[in-house]
Amino acid sequence: KAGVTQTPRYLIKTRGQQVTLSCSPISGHRSVSWYQQTPGQGLQFLFEYFSETQRNKGNFPGRFSGRQFSNSRSEMNVSTLELGDSALYLCASSLEGGEYGYTFGSGTRLTVV
Amino acid sequence: AQSVAQPEDQVNVAEGNPLTVKCTYSVSGNPYLFWYVQYPNRGLQFLLKYITGDNLVKGSYGFEAEFNKSQTSFHLKKPSALVSDSALYFCAVRDPSGASKIIFGSGTRLSIRP
Repeated sequence: KAGVTQTPRYLIKTRGQQVTLSCSPISGHRSVSWYQQTPGQGLQFLFEYFSETQRNKGNFPGRFSGRQFSNSRSEMNVSTLELGDSALYLCASSLEGGEYGYTFGSGTRLTVV
Repeated sequence: AQSVAQPEDQVNVAEGNPLTVKCTYSVSGNPYLFWYVQYPNRGLQFLLKYITGDNLVKGSYGFEAEFNKSQTSFHLKKPSALVSDSALYFCAVRDPSGASKIIFGSGTRLSIRP
């Protein structure tokens, strides 16, 4: 079966712009989580969505937001981009809440210039 | 609050030798524990998990991990390392209460020399 699909794979944006990243989970998975990965901070949890509801949220400013659609696809949005937002953004899907592990996508590499 | 620590930034092992990547955790109750591996410019790949049962868990690519409740550890092991095992390894923990998310350690870079 198809894995977790993240689009786009690479993105270059200018400071102050906004960006939307997309994640299509494995068919049947209802939970989607987002992580930011940087060399200095490692893997930081952004948020988790389950059945279109945000169930958990990490310690990120309000510029970071997300949503989940009825087909479980998820998007995350970052407004007013800053240089420090440059990172690999990873999406992970699971059946319920990750008790049995996540399946990760290949990520979106965002570069803010 | 739940947390996980990987005390070694890098582990270097000769090919054919056994390897251990260390992980300790802190969580109330019985934890769900995971190991993931990341190759360059890729997402994380699931290696193994501990939910309950036998303390020795076997996973993908010949890896195994030993759950030790008294030491709150979940070290990743492999009897004979391969050069292709060189990658970034993450330990992760989830509070089984269901209300929290999976928290990842800082990662350990494993380097296997020929």
